[in-house]
Amino acid sequence: AQSVTQLGSHVSVSEGALVLLRCNYSSSVPPYLFWYVQYPNQGLQLLLKYTSAATLVKGINGFEAEFKKSETSFHLTKPSAHMSDAAEYFCAVSDRGNGNNRLAFGKGNQVVVIP
Amino acid sequence: EAGVVQSPRYKIIEKKQPVAFWCNPISGHNTLYWYRQNLGQGPELLIRYENEEAVDDSQLPKDRFSAERLKGVDSTLKIQPAELGDSAVYLCASSPGTTYNEQFFGPGTRLTVL
Repeated sequence: AQSVTQLGSHVSVSEGALVLLRCNYSSSVPPYLFWYVQYPNQGLQLLLKYTSAATLVKGINGFEAEFKKSETSFHLTKPSAHMSDAAEYFCAVSDRGNGNNRLAFGKGNQVVVIP
Repeated sequence: EAGVVQSPRYKIIEKKQPVAFWCNPISGHNTLYWYRQNLGQGPELLIRYENEEAVDDSQLPKDRFSAERLKGVDSTLKIQPAELGDSAVYLCASSPGTTYNEQFFGPGTRLTVL
């Protein structure tokens, strides 16, 4: 079964600094990969997704992620953190073509932005 | 376009009581998902519907949990009786179909069992 690993439950970053959230996946077949953001008391919102097109994926709010098959990684980055980026971020994986589109989520990273 | 609607947003009950959550997916979305999100964890799938058929309920604790989607639109998730360990956020998501890879999430229902 597919799975993702997100290390470091809490990530602190200074305003204006690089945001880097790491995600490594395990999948027996080429995966679909996703990053979701969750603001307090809200549902999950899709930031970006990889579905086999370009390996560098650009999403909303200035975020991007790069699919690296050799490293089984899909790390999320943003060049300059903003206070509004404080939220919880989840990486998720779905096997392609398995017909059920079941998402397996990581445990999440709580991002704190320091002024 | 309206998003996924869930109610109630918050629910506090005592253990052994029943509770129900309601979800209205995005119009036209045939696939509906219920997830449970424990504190500090990512969501975990409970059940997936294709129209009115539950096609993936392997993760649903069937001794106390039940779900229905009678007309292939709205869905209700029920717990009876609730236990302390059921305290979590229950998320509903929908997508146009199983082969469509993006799921759209509602705001969730935060359940507290005392």
